[in-house]
Amino acid sequence: GESVGLHLPTLSVQEGDNSIINCAYSNSASDYFIWYKQESGKGPQFIIDIRSNMDKRQGQRVTVLLNKTVKHLSLQIAATQPGDSAVYFCAENMAHDMRFGAGTRLTVKP
Amino acid sequence: NAGVMQNPRHLVRRRGQEARLRCSPMKGHSHVYWYRQLPEEGLKFMVYLQKENIIDESGMPKERFSAEFPKEGPSILRIQQVVRGDSAAYFCASSYQKTNTEAFFGQGTRLTVV
Repeated sequence: GESVGLHLPTLSVQEGDNSIINCAYSNSASDYFIWYKQESGKGPQFIIDIRSNMDKRQGQRVTVLLNKTVKHLSLQIAATQPGDSAVYFCAENMAHDMRFGAGTRLTVKP
Repeated sequence: NAGVMQNPRHLVRRRGQEARLRCSPMKGHSHVYWYRQLPEEGLKFMVYLQKENIIDESGMPKERFSAEFPKEGPSILRIQQVVRGDSAAYFCASSYQKTNTEAFFGQGTRLTVV
């Protein structure tokens, strides 16, 4: 089965609040992680990545945190907007392919 | 620089027919990955190819499914004698190098078997 999983299948937040999406991985040898956003009817879109030699990386309104001790990854979205509503996947880069979790559906309430 | 192009976007096949899904990677990318996605589920790895070579097909069903990435032209995912269970979205991604780099996805082909 897949080695990457998500704690919560759905997440609903109020517009303007911060969102936190979590992901657990099982392969301690994985050294590269990516968060993707997938809107309905579209392909996954890259959001942010992080390498295993880092524990935090920031982008525009997004921050990824990596805790290698507990093999946990999180995506934080600041000031969540309606356009952030989508399914978010974390992907674990293993050898020569990426393994995806089931995804978390983020819904932003106005 | 066009992104990853997949065609067709939607494909309807009757049971027993063949489905051919095409993927043109981004310019300069020689690594192609195919994934399958069922509704409300994640992306399941199927196969990883480089030009003219299948590197990892551990996610491919043993029968009816095949993939190629010829020297010239797009990568092809071929499903023979389709069954209703093959109905899914099939996504292709490409990357510049093998590991530790972002992969770009196409918009997918939605296969419906009737």
